[in-house]
Amino acid sequence: DTGVSQDPRHKITKRGQNVTFRCDPISEHNRLYWYRQTLGQGPEFLTYFQNEAQLEKSRLLSDRFSAERPKGSFSTLEIQRTEQGDSAMYLCASSFSAGGTQETQYFGPGTRLLVL
Amino acid sequence: QQQVKQSPQSLIVQKGGIPIINCAYENTAFDYFPWYQQFPGKGPALLIAIRPDVSEKKEGRFTISFNKSAKQFSLHIMDSQPGDSATYFCAASIHPGGSEKLVFGKGTKLTVNP
Repeated sequence: DTGVSQDPRHKITKRGQNVTFRCDPISEHNRLYWYRQTLGQGPEFLTYFQNEAQLEKSRLLSDRFSAERPKGSFSTLEIQRTEQGDSAMYLCASSFSAGGTQETQYFGPGTRLLVL
Repeated sequence: QQQVKQSPQSLIVQKGGIPIINCAYENTAFDYFPWYQQFPGKGPALLIAIRPDVSEKKEGRFTISFNKSAKQFSLHIMDSQPGDSATYFCAASIHPGGSEKLVFGKGTKLTVNP
């Protein structure tokens, strides 16, 4: 399978615990995005990487959230001291951009987080 | 602030019908408008996309109509099939423009009855 993969697919945690999600983008893609999707809503942008550099973060990304993309390959999204409001589907997307052409963002299957 | 407004929230049609989903945007800097299809438990998948320099784009049974002056665009699904039952999202982004992040509508849950 050469698509975007995410791990784990489901995560149940207790309030106050830390969780970490992983995203493996399509191998030649230099851009990686994280979005959050709550029930009945469209995905909302969280953050974006161009290779290993995190170039933009949404105001939705509080100080408890941190994302990395070491070596410009896979990415991790960590949520510290989880709150019930963090319960959502966390989606990763990747694309390839060489400049000048809008490239399709391909989404992974998501990680569904439930905070009890 | 919702930058892309989508309607209706849900839609039920019979097989062979032509569901139409509408979106309106506010930011005139948007210049790329994709539609994504999402099945339960899956991530969104790109269906079709349009730029504001054309008024219509067709791919298979899916057609986007675009009205730049009204800042509206819509998705038409011709000869709809039960397998088209899914949630559809319109989106918009600015290109080139840094991240080119997608701003999504709230989605339309489409049910196509056999």
